[in-house]
Amino acid sequence: DAGITQSPRHKVTETGTPVTLRCHQTENHRYMYWYRQDPGHGLRLIHYSYGVKDTDKGEVSDGYSVSRSKTEDFLLTLESATSSQTSVYFCAISESNRVGLETQYFGPGTRLLVL
Amino acid sequence: QKEVEQDPGPLSVPEGAIVSLNCTYSNSAFQYFMWYRQYSRKGPELLMYTYSSGNKEDGRFTAQVDKSSKYISLFIRDSQPSDSATYLCAMSGDSSASKIIFGSGTRLSIRP
Repeated sequence: DAGITQSPRHKVTETGTPVTLRCHQTENHRYMYWYRQDPGHGLRLIHYSYGVKDTDKGEVSDGYSVSRSKTEDFLLTLESATSSQTSVYFCAISESNRVGLETQYFGPGTRLLVL
Repeated sequence: QKEVEQDPGPLSVPEGAIVSLNCTYSNSAFQYFMWYRQYSRKGPELLMYTYSSGNKEDGRFTAQVDKSSKYISLFIRDSQPSDSATYLCAMSGDSSASKIIFGSGTRLSIRP
């Protein structure tokens, strides 16, 4: 599991409330990612980080913000949750393999339901 | 049109059968091709990756890339009930993980 944990694992919240999901890694990886997974859409990148305080937007970043104040923690915040953000959220890290490809390892996921 | 298309299934085959899973893509710049396996309520795990065209074999799994047809395949020989999972293809034009595009996944069930 590449030493990745996510918390909480399940959350139910109401529309308009702020929500923060946490990803924690224990192996000092530089790159970390947040994805959402929805039926028919596969995994879509929300934001990623390439170091402490260094982050960039992915394909579906609207409505989400991230922070990385320590190497081991990458936080995803929904400032004001909407029902369209009901999804399964996965955190990932990447490391370069012997051909230079950054291969990804995923956490166990957080199931978020926005009512 | 999505950059990566994958039949969602479900695909159900008897134990011991050869399974063929496929993806098509539209971006000719893709050079890295990956297959992930995802068990129910778990995160995806990387099965295999290939660079450019050709075949790659790992045990019962064979990944095949045909860039001229923009078509990739994953074959599973001697399928086992433990192979029951969702299989996602993924691809990228460069080695950066932030550029990876995932297919939506094919749900596979192996009947004992």
